[in-house]
Amino acid sequence: KAGVTQTPRYLIKTRGQQVTLSCSPISGHRSVSWYQQTPGQGLQFLFEYFSETQRNKGNFPGRFSGRQFSNSRSEMNVSTLELGDSALYLCASTRGGGENTEAFFGQGTRLTVV
Amino acid sequence: GQSLEQPSEVTAVEGAIVQINCTYQTSGFYGLSWYQQHDGGAPTFLSYNALDGLEETGRFSSFLSRSDSYGYLLLQELQMKDSASYFCAVRDPGGGYQKVTFGTGTKLQVIP
Repeated sequence: KAGVTQTPRYLIKTRGQQVTLSCSPISGHRSVSWYQQTPGQGLQFLFEYFSETQRNKGNFPGRFSGRQFSNSRSEMNVSTLELGDSALYLCASTRGGGENTEAFFGQGTRLTVV
Repeated sequence: GQSLEQPSEVTAVEGAIVQINCTYQTSGFYGLSWYQQHDGGAPTFLSYNALDGLEETGRFSSFLSRSDSYGYLLLQELQMKDSASYFCAVRDPGGGYQKVTFGTGTKLQVIP
């Protein structure tokens, strides 16, 4: 079956702009989580969506937002981009039940803010 | 809050055994997972421990001691392709089912 698909793979934006990233989970998976990965900070949890509802949120400013559609596809948006937002953004999908143990990650979107 | 500590780098010889440790402090705990990530690639799931003890999957084993808030990943018969970053991750209630906190990762270099 198809894996987790993230688009675009690479993106260059200017400070102050906004960006939208997309994630299509594995078919049948209802939970999508987003992570920011930087060399110094590792993988940091942004938020998690299940059945179109945000279930968990990490410690990121309100400029970071997301949503999930009825087909489980998810988008995350970053407004008023800052240089420090340059990172690899990963999404992970799971079935969403209480005993999920394995998350499947996409290849990520590498965002560069200049 | 949550924190997980791992060594930042480990070097080991091809064919040898290496252990990557992870200590955690979390407000809640469901289980400890391990992921592998090659440079430029996506993290991939290796193992999960919900209970104390050793879980073995081929060359990889993972151990958990909940009383010590400690776990490790053991890689045996190291191969060059095992050179990658390894992350431990804790699932905790966090108000939902899927709040997962990752460690900062251990970069493993396997040398001939």
